Amino acid sequence: EPEVTQTPSHQVTQMGQEVILRCVPISNHLYFYWYRQILGQKVEFLVSFYNNEISEKSEIFDDQFSVERPDGSNFTLKIRSTKLEDSAMYFCASRSGRTDTQYFGPGTRLTVL
Amino acid sequence: GESVGLHLPTLSVQEGDNSIINCAYSNSASDYFIWYKQESGKGPQFIIDIRSNMDKRQGQRVTVLLNKTVKHLSLQIAATQPGDSAVYFCAETSSGGYQKVTFGIGTKLQVIP
Repeated sequence: EPEVTQTPSHQVTQMGQEVILRCVPISNHLYFYWYRQILGQKVEFLVSFYNNEISEKSEIFDDQFSVERPDGSNFTLKIRSTKLEDSAMYFCASRSGRTDTQYFGPGTRLTVL
Repeated sequence: GESVGLHLPTLSVQEGDNSIINCAYSNSASDYFIWYKQESGKGPQFIIDIRSNMDKRQGQRVTVLLNKTVKHLSLQIAATQPGDSAVYFCAETSSGGYQKVTFGIGTKLQVIP
């Protein structure tokens, strides 16, 4: 069964450093999403991406965040200058467009020191 | 605003018993609802969904009930097994458009062998 994959599983970085979190959505899916989950809190929407552009973003997704689909398979989330409060699990999700179901990856745990 | 370090509601169930997990949603415009299961260290896993034109939908060992009048959603798990132990999130979205998913706070299900 196809699934969303994410790398790395755990990323440790120093405050102020740039990080890139990578996702490979399910093949032939058209809609892509990033969510985050701070420890002990609920999953929060960050951004949706369709047709090579951002379709919707939350207030969390400020100028420090960017997304890109550099080729036909990868979908990345970049944080330019990480802050302590960026420490969280980051989940990528994708949706085919034929159904409404979003499928989530296993997540990347980001730890900012 | 968000609470820091939410205390998850916990439901403890004896193995073999039925489990009922409840959820209140907030957006009257939502017309598509999903239950996700999240095991420790993993991403949300789709369990079952329901559209707003339905009151009930059944899957394998799981049933979702929707009461639009009071904006209430429930997940019933029949013959609960140890492998069902996880955090369960209800989620809402609007079909059509880019469909960001809004998650509830989650309920931790503990199955007692």
